[in-house]
Amino acid sequence: KAGVTQTPRYLIKTRGQQVTLSCSPISGHRSVSWYQQTPGQGLQFLFEYFSETQRNKGNFPGRFSGRQFSNSRSEMNVSTLELGDSALYLCASSFGTDNSPLHFGNGTRLTVT
Amino acid sequence: GIQVEQSPPDLILQEGANSTLRCNFSDSVNNLQWFHQNPWGQLINLFYIPSGTKQNGRLSATTVATERYSLLYISSSQTTDSGVYFCAVGTFTGGGNKLTFGTGTQLKVEL
Repeated sequence: KAGVTQTPRYLIKTRGQQVTLSCSPISGHRSVSWYQQTPGQGLQFLFEYFSETQRNKGNFPGRFSGRQFSNSRSEMNVSTLELGDSALYLCASSFGTDNSPLHFGNGTRLTVT
Repeated sequence: GIQVEQSPPDLILQEGANSTLRCNFSDSVNNLQWFHQNPWGQLINLFYIPSGTKQNGRLSATTVATERYSLLYISSSQTTDSGVYFCAVGTFTGGGNKLTFGTGTQLKVEL
């Protein structure tokens, strides 16, 4: 069974640009969550999607957005990039029920210069 | 929001040694998971354990929900156990699951 797939693995962008990251969940999983990992703030929750609906959102500015497609694949977008957006962005999938463990992808490492 | 504290922050072990990692959380939760992040950044789910005890090979975990803590035991440690261990907790609110991660325990296992 294929795991969670995130693309691209690495990305370098310039301040002010926008970026789109992609996540394909494990087959059968309907929930996709996104997390940002930085050395200073650790792992922080961005948002979660279930059946194309955002169910939960973390404390990030509106520049961070996401969506989920009917096949459960998800994308997150960051507009007007800032240097502080440099981070490892991790996507996790699960069945979306209360007792579902999360399974993470390998992440996308974004560097903003 | 929920606060999650992990201890110790850093740990160095000789191969073959045992260790206990602790996770304290500040409020009632119905979701607690342990993860291992390897040196390449991949987060591996070790246990989903909101209460009780589970074992998987050399690893076991115990959560005492009423006292708001969880323990991860690593026995006969190996160099491949090196990495960061995270505890994450959450509540299933609003129909969704939002996990709060601790700051992790950085483990290094030496030969």
